[in-house]
Amino acid sequence: NAGVTQTPKFQVLKTGQSMTLQCAQDMNHEYMSWYRQDPGMGLRLIHYSVGAGITDQGEVPNGYNVSRSTTEDFPLRLLSAAPSQTSVYFCASSSTIRELFFGEGSRLTVL
Amino acid sequence: EDQVTQSPEALRLQEGESSSLNCSYTVSGLRGLFWYRQDPGKGPEFLFTLYSAGEEKEKERLKATLTKKESFLHITAPKPEDSATYLCAVQSENTGFQKLVFGTGTRLLVSP
Repeated sequence: NAGVTQTPKFQVLKTGQSMTLQCAQDMNHEYMSWYRQDPGMGLRLIHYSVGAGITDQGEVPNGYNVSRSTTEDFPLRLLSAAPSQTSVYFCASSSTIRELFFGEGSRLTVL
Repeated sequence: EDQVTQSPEALRLQEGESSSLNCSYTVSGLRGLFWYRQDPGKGPEFLFTLYSAGEEKEKERLKATLTKKESFLHITAPKPEDSATYLCAVQSENTGFQKLVFGTGTRLLVSP
């Protein structure tokens, strides 16, 4: 039972490049979400999903896309990376909102 | 707009020196308040959920309490392994059950 697995752990991109952050969970959780964490700011919700085929925007969705084709996977796509997207990204899952299980994070630098 | 403010930003304690962390919140209808622990380079780890004023939860050296405006995380006789960043988050009745609003955290360092 691995919990929530995020890949890659570290990534460096150039401005304008695209990439996908992968997130997989093996707990059969319906709810999954993506947060970003920046110095001096709390975790901010980017996108979330309440089940396969259902996604919605969070607080800071611009520049990111998500899809949920299976219960297990919830990838986050950066369409055209910008320096403002330099951050640490966390994926989380839960059977209810009340106890989120977080992955170990993906540290992204955009040059 | 829902808001969470945590204080202090950083706290340094000697081993065995008890203290409290504060989480002040403004929400239009509190559905739940959450405490998480985050170690450097790791994702947050769930500690407690509190639902209503007057409620208390305990786990080892930690006790969380809740009033209508704030929550406290009391740390009794802390040990160096309690060093971490402690995050507070709220869930509002208005923003839906899917969304949590997090504070910026309190960095706790416990010296032996």
